Amino acid sequence: EAGVAQSPRYKIIEKRQSVAFWCNPISGHATLYWYQQILGQGPKLLIQFQNNGVVDDSQLPKDRFSAERLKGVDSTLKIQPAKLEDSAVYLCASSWGQGTYEQYFGPGTRLTVT
Amino acid sequence: GENVEQHPSTLSVQEGDSAVIKCTYSDSASNYFPWYKQELGKRPQLIIDIRSNVGEKKDQRIAVTLNKTAKHFSLHITETQPEDSAVYFCAASLGGQNFVFGPGTRLSVLP
Repeated sequence: EAGVAQSPRYKIIEKRQSVAFWCNPISGHATLYWYQQILGQGPKLLIQFQNNGVVDDSQLPKDRFSAERLKGVDSTLKIQPAKLEDSAVYLCASSWGQGTYEQYFGPGTRLTVT
Repeated sequence: GENVEQHPSTLSVQEGDSAVIKCTYSDSASNYFPWYKQELGKRPQLIIDIRSNVGEKKDQRIAVTLNKTAKHFSLHITETQPEDSAVYFCAASLGGQNFVFGPGTRLSVLP
């Protein structure tokens, strides 16, 4: 089966600019996750969707980050305005949901904010 | 909320030796514990996982043990090979939600 797709793979922006990332999960996966991975750290969960509903967004900085999964398939994560500390790899992952928890990660988007 | 600690942060072993990485978690309600391997510049890949109703699980050279009373779980890699060199992350979750990852262990297998 095809894996989780993400784009773009790399992005360089200046602080205060906006940026958007796209994720297409594995076909049929109901659950979609966005993580932020700062260099040298473990992934940090930003938001979790079950189909098109938000399950957990407790660690999403809502003043600047937003995410949607309107049709319950692909998803976008947006940052506006970006700060220097947002420099990280943004990973998308998906799982079947409904009692199966194994997550499959996409290749990530490496964001550099200058 | 959940907090996951992971030790050691770096680990070097000789090829063929065993490697053990330990994680502790704080939320006794957590019931799913995966381990991920991440090679440099690559995506994390699930290598093994365990649920709270099981004490141990093995898959060839990899095993995970869980002690619910002490709230810790460990990854065991036997007969290590150079291709096992990577960063390993543990995580804890409650029912597939609220995933919290540890800070990672950089494993180096020396030839």
